[in-house]
Amino acid sequence: RKEVEQDPGPFNVPEGATVAFNCTYSNSASQSFFWYRQDCRKEPKLLMSVYSSGNEDGRFTAQLNRASQYISLLIRDSKLSDSATYLCVVNNWGGFQKLVFGTGTRLLVSP
Amino acid sequence: NAGVTQTPKFQVLKTGQSMTLQCAQDMNHNSMYWYRQDPGMGLRLIYYSASEGTTDKGEVPNGYNVSRLNKREFSLRLESAAPSQTSVYFCASSDGRGFYEQYFGPGTRLTVT
Repeated sequence: RKEVEQDPGPFNVPEGATVAFNCTYSNSASQSFFWYRQDCRKEPKLLMSVYSSGNEDGRFTAQLNRASQYISLLIRDSKLSDSATYLCVVNNWGGFQKLVFGTGTRLLVSP
Repeated sequence: NAGVTQTPKFQVLKTGQSMTLQCAQDMNHNSMYWYRQDPGMGLRLIYYSASEGTTDKGEVPNGYNVSRLNKREFSLRLESAAPSQTSVYFCASSDGRGFYEQYFGPGTRLTVT
C-alpha cells in the first residue's frame, strides 16, 4: 500500500463549481499535513498546511480526519487559474522529518 | 528575495558523463533536500542535509552524491550518468521547525541519452 494515495483524476469542472479532493495516508503516526499545488512543468508550491481543527484560506478549505487517516481539500468558486495538480503531502518521522508526496490529483477548470 | 534557486534549468548528458546540479537558498533555512520527480510517481527523496555539515541518504541515493557547501548551498552530483537518471530534479529547503513545510526551487530537467 502506498504511504499517500490520491485519485489521479483529472477532475473536469466548470468555472464557479465546488470541487473536493481526498487523500489517504497509511502511517497513523504522521505528524503534519500539507497541500501543495504544482503547475505543469513547474515546482510544487505550498498551498496550505492542514491543521487538526481544519483550516480555511479564502476559497480553499482543508480538513484532517486522523481517525480515518484522510485529508481533504475543498475548492469553492473554481477559477480557470486553479487548473493544476494538487499534491497531498504527509510529514512522517523516519529518523528525520520526512515529507511523503502523493502522486497528485489533476484539476482542469473550464470556461 | 529569490527563495530557492537551481542551475542549470535544462541539461542533456550522454551515458557515462558527470555533472553537478547546484542549489542555493536565501531564507536562512537549516535543512535542504534533493528530490527527483518521474511521471506517475510522487517526488522521491534522493539526499537531504538536516543542517550545515551533515548529509544523509534518502529513498533513492544510488548513483548520486551531495555536498552541503555551506548553509546556503547544497549540490547534487551524478558521477556517471545513466538513462534511468533522466528526470526532473528539485531542490527544497525548510527551517526544520514547526510544521516542516518545504519550499522548492524551479527544477532541473535532465535527459541522459
